[in-house]
Amino acid sequence: EAQVTQNPRYLITVTGKKLTVTCSQNMNHEYMSWYRQDPGLGLRQIYYSMNVEVTDKGDVPEGYKVSRKEKRNFPLILESPSPNQTSLYFCASSYSTGGDYEQYFGPGTRLTVT
Amino acid sequence: GESVGLHLPTLSVQEGDNSIINCAYSNSASDYFIWYKQESGKGPQFIIDIRSNMDKRQGQRVTVLLNKTVKHLSLQIAATQPGDSAVYFCAENKGYSTLTFGKGTMLLVSP
Repeated sequence: EAQVTQNPRYLITVTGKKLTVTCSQNMNHEYMSWYRQDPGLGLRQIYYSMNVEVTDKGDVPEGYKVSRKEKRNFPLILESPSPNQTSLYFCASSYSTGGDYEQYFGPGTRLTVT
Repeated sequence: GESVGLHLPTLSVQEGDNSIINCAYSNSASDYFIWYKQESGKGPQFIIDIRSNMDKRQGQRVTVLLNKTVKHLSLQIAATQPGDSAVYFCAENKGYSTLTFGKGTMLLVSP
């Protein structure tokens, strides 16, 4: 089944404790992206990747890192999480450039930073 | 207290009615638009897309209309069912590599 998977689905952590949220897609998509979703603000893009070893900032990249060492995986790294990073996070992938094709979304990761 | 964010624009309809959800986009150069459906606890799910060289596109029970003159997009759902209850987002291609999403409209369908 074609899908985007994220782990973990739920995470509660404390300020400053590094964490990684994994994202994997099995559709051989070139483009992958991370979004955060907050009440009243909709979906905002954090980082995206056009292909392996090619990443770029989205609208809200501060406090986040990403890497794309393999085509299928695009982990989101929070080196020192803060409470304002409490949010619902979605990974997405697309066949090609993220603006010209539909993006397939993962199930989401709900992160709480205390 | 209730979060401000919960006050999404809401459309309430009866089962069997037709629903129309509207979206205004900002960039006249945007050339690709998508409608997504997000059910509670799930990620956004693709419904239908349209490119700027079209005014209308139909899917199964859904139609998207694009009015480039006033930068307006609408999603029409025919014979709305309780399973259609969700938050609906429009998204536009503001550039080569990204989609920008609207804040969403909640559709509530009563049996």
